[in-house]
Amino acid sequence: DQQVKQNSPSLSVQEGRISILNCDYTNSMFDYFLWYKKYPAEGPTFLISISSIKDKNEDGRFTVFLNKSAKHLSLHIVPSQPGDSAVYFCAASENFGNEKLTFGTGTRLTIIP
Amino acid sequence: DVKVTQSSRYLVKRTGEKVFLECVQDMDHENMFWYRQDPGLGLRLIYFSYDVKMKEKGDIPEGYSVSREKKERFSLILESASTNQTSMYLCASGWLAKNIQYFGAGTRLSVL
Repeated sequence: DQQVKQNSPSLSVQEGRISILNCDYTNSMFDYFLWYKKYPAEGPTFLISISSIKDKNEDGRFTVFLNKSAKHLSLHIVPSQPGDSAVYFCAASENFGNEKLTFGTGTRLTIIP
Repeated sequence: DVKVTQSSRYLVKRTGEKVFLECVQDMDHENMFWYRQDPGLGLRLIYFSYDVKMKEKGDIPEGYSVSREKKERFSLILESASTNQTSMYLCASGWLAKNIQYFGAGTRLSVL
């Protein structure tokens, strides 16, 4: 039972445009969410997170939006750059400070120059 | 910078062999984790540990065991490797009561 789902396995976006990656979850106990980025032959690296008490968190070109009623979060990257080409995983935990994360299946983002 | 080091990048083993995957972190993190990554399935948690000599089962512990004799080192053991354990294995570490985990580069294991 996949509690965190990323329904788009891949996404291609023109350089300079906005990339939007989506993530849905089913466990209503999840209240802290993270995005990780993974390049080939490297481990995932933390990108940005959001607590359920917020609906938006921004860090430079990256913004995460949370819609708790829809159990949906999204990662916006603007403007997209070639170095953003990677696999993106969303992850969730049942409370802040609970170190156990449940990961989604990943979305491969390709930025077209 | 946090460093999580996995001892091997690639391993090829035969069915039935006992396999050890080693992971070392240098940030004095309390927590350590083992995941496997498979296409279409994302990262799935195998085992984790909050402290030395302590372990907790993750979502897919069958066929695996772990050992944490020292704080900085967390080993994943395949007692009798099978072909369905061919995968990318990722180790991670993190501080107690903090959600962010730091990952190693991974070990790609092929069981023939």
